[in-house]
Amino acid sequence: DTGVSQDPRHKITKRGQNVTFRCDPISEHNRLYWYRQTLGQGPEFLTYFQNEAQLEKSRLLSDRFSAERPKGSFSTLEIQRTEQGDSAMYLCASSLEEAHTDTQYFGPGTRLTVL
Amino acid sequence: AQSVTQLGSHVSVSEGALVLLRCNYSSSVPPYLFWYVQYPNQGLQLLLKYTSAATLVKGINGFEAEFKKSETSFHLTKPSAHMSDAAEYFCAVSHTGGFKTIFGAGTRLFVKA
Repeated sequence: DTGVSQDPRHKITKRGQNVTFRCDPISEHNRLYWYRQTLGQGPEFLTYFQNEAQLEKSRLLSDRFSAERPKGSFSTLEIQRTEQGDSAMYLCASSLEEAHTDTQYFGPGTRLTVL
Repeated sequence: AQSVTQLGSHVSVSEGALVLLRCNYSSSVPPYLFWYVQYPNQGLQLLLKYTSAATLVKGINGFEAEFKKSETSFHLTKPSAHMSDAAEYFCAVSHTGGFKTIFGAGTRLFVKA
């Protein structure tokens, strides 16, 4: 069990550029989540995958955001035409579907700075 | 709808003193409750979770939390603070079969020598 990994850990980009983040979940976990965390706030839910299917998207996820999880393994989160308001920590978590409620295990996050 | 309120964005204690971090929740269905800790530049680590078994939940690093339905609370405690406990703590709520976890705004714990 190597834990959830995210790449890159830091990304600085100019407004209007596209960025893509990658998340590798714990290998046997079938659920994967993306969150956004801004300074002084808790993580906010963005989207959720069960295997390769994207089952829920938050209203926070505008049309500029897209997430994929091909083959139900790693996931990517792309932000097109970045804006300064996109600057945040993007966290990925994974879990194994349980009878009650899942325990989510978080990666270290990707910190995005949009200049 | 579910929500979490953490009382106090900052808490400061002396080393060896009791740690008490407050969390109140709102949920229209039986909740599952979590406490996570976040160290600088790291992801969140699960401290403990309540899933409707025992109301007093013991977690890692000597932390525990008590679920009180009548008070809609799930406060986190530790009898004796250690310098290494300094971090940000998040309370979160979910529900049966739920995949969306709602987090509070967090409480930053400072530990003074």
